[in-house]
Amino acid sequence: GQQLNQSPQSMFIQEGEDVSMNCTSSSIFNTWLWYKQDPGEGPVLLIALYKAGELTSNGRLTAQFGITRKDSFLNISASIPSDVGIYFCAGGDDKIIFGKGTRLHILP
Amino acid sequence: NAGVMQNPRHLVRRRGQEARLRCSPMKGHSHVYWYRQLPEEGLKFMVYLQKENIIDESGMPKERFSAEFPKEGPSILRIQQVVRGDSAAYFCASSPKGGYSPLHFGNGTRLTVT
Repeated sequence: GQQLNQSPQSMFIQEGEDVSMNCTSSSIFNTWLWYKQDPGEGPVLLIALYKAGELTSNGRLTAQFGITRKDSFLNISASIPSDVGIYFCAGGDDKIIFGKGTRLHILP
Repeated sequence: NAGVMQNPRHLVRRRGQEARLRCSPMKGHSHVYWYRQLPEEGLKFMVYLQKENIIDESGMPKERFSAEFPKEGPSILRIQQVVRGDSAAYFCASSPKGGYSPLHFGNGTRLTVT
């Protein structure tokens, strides 16, 4: 079946640093989505991508839909404390499947 | 504009009891998805429904689990004869058009089986 590999599993960074995470799939996707989940809450949509090669920004966040349609990345620039949380990639068509998440920690 | 509403937020059941989880999609959304999340894990797809139809239930266990999205009222995820391994957070998401439209999530129901 379809699988998503998300990396890294966790990141420990200093405030102000840039962050990069990515996701690869075993099959072609027509939609890539990036979500953030805070403890005790549901995932919140950050960026949605629909075209191969598409590069989309949302404030300090930038995501790209890979040309092969089998990968996507998310960058966060100039990280701040409220960026802490779990970031999930998701992709698919009618059925949307999720990666296992990247846990972002910011060191004091 | 209310988001996706799930209730209850927390549900405790003893082994063998039934659990009913409810999800009211966002206004104007007719597509509902259910996902299950274990601690420190991602979200695992369970089922995708439109009004009165199950579109994809490939992630649902073959026994004890069922889902519906009736013409009127919320979507229901039903777990019969719960076991300890059913303890998890169950998230519902809705979208207006199904495929190619992003999912909007509720805050989940945390099921604990004692």
